[in-house]
Amino acid sequence: DVKVTQSSRYLVKRTGEKVFLECVQDMDHENMFWYRQDPGLGLRLIYFSYDVKMKEKGDIPEGYSVSREKKERFSLILESASTNQTSMYLCASLGTPGGVRAQHFGDGTRLSIL
Amino acid sequence: TQLLEQSPQFLSIQEGENLTVYCNSSSVFSSLQWYRQEPGEGPVLLVTVVTGGEVKKLKRLTFQFGDARKDSSLHITAAQPGDTGLYLCAGVGSGGGADGLTFGKGTHLIIQP
Repeated sequence: DVKVTQSSRYLVKRTGEKVFLECVQDMDHENMFWYRQDPGLGLRLIYFSYDVKMKEKGDIPEGYSVSREKKERFSLILESASTNQTSMYLCASLGTPGGVRAQHFGDGTRLSIL
Repeated sequence: TQLLEQSPQFLSIQEGENLTVYCNSSSVFSSLQWYRQEPGEGPVLLVTVVTGGEVKKLKRLTFQFGDARKDSSLHITAAQPGDTGLYLCAGVGSGGGADGLTFGKGTHLIIQP
């Protein structure tokens, strides 16, 4: 089974701090994603990466950056955290079992910015 | 931009009842997926439907892909409290690229014992 591991389940940070969210997958997938999930808004794509050192903006990249130095690890960075970035953050990697795309998600990091 | 509308947004029913949730779009998708997310966890893939008109069954869950590949439904028979969760549909675009998945906002389902 694919395993996507997010480093923290819960995180509390202060406004203005630089915050790092880490995600590791063990299936050698090329494509990895960061989403945030908010009530009434669903899953919104922040950034994705299709290869090491490659990144693409998603729908809501403002205030975030990412890093993909190794294939298995995709990091989300909040450059200067703000209260409106309080959310559930989900990392996913994309596999193609049987030729059909399927995203494998981590358990999420619930981030609170005070 | 491809959009997926899910309905209802919230549904609370008694154990043993049947229910249907819907996922609709004006866009055509090459395939459509359903995920379930339980509290405190990430979404988990339940099924992928690929062919227009396709019906797939997963125990008491029946998934159908519309003939035009623009919509899908999930029917649960004799719902159980363990079915409680957030159900997300996701459309797989016909184009390539890593960003080819579009998610609906989800249906929150609560099954009361």
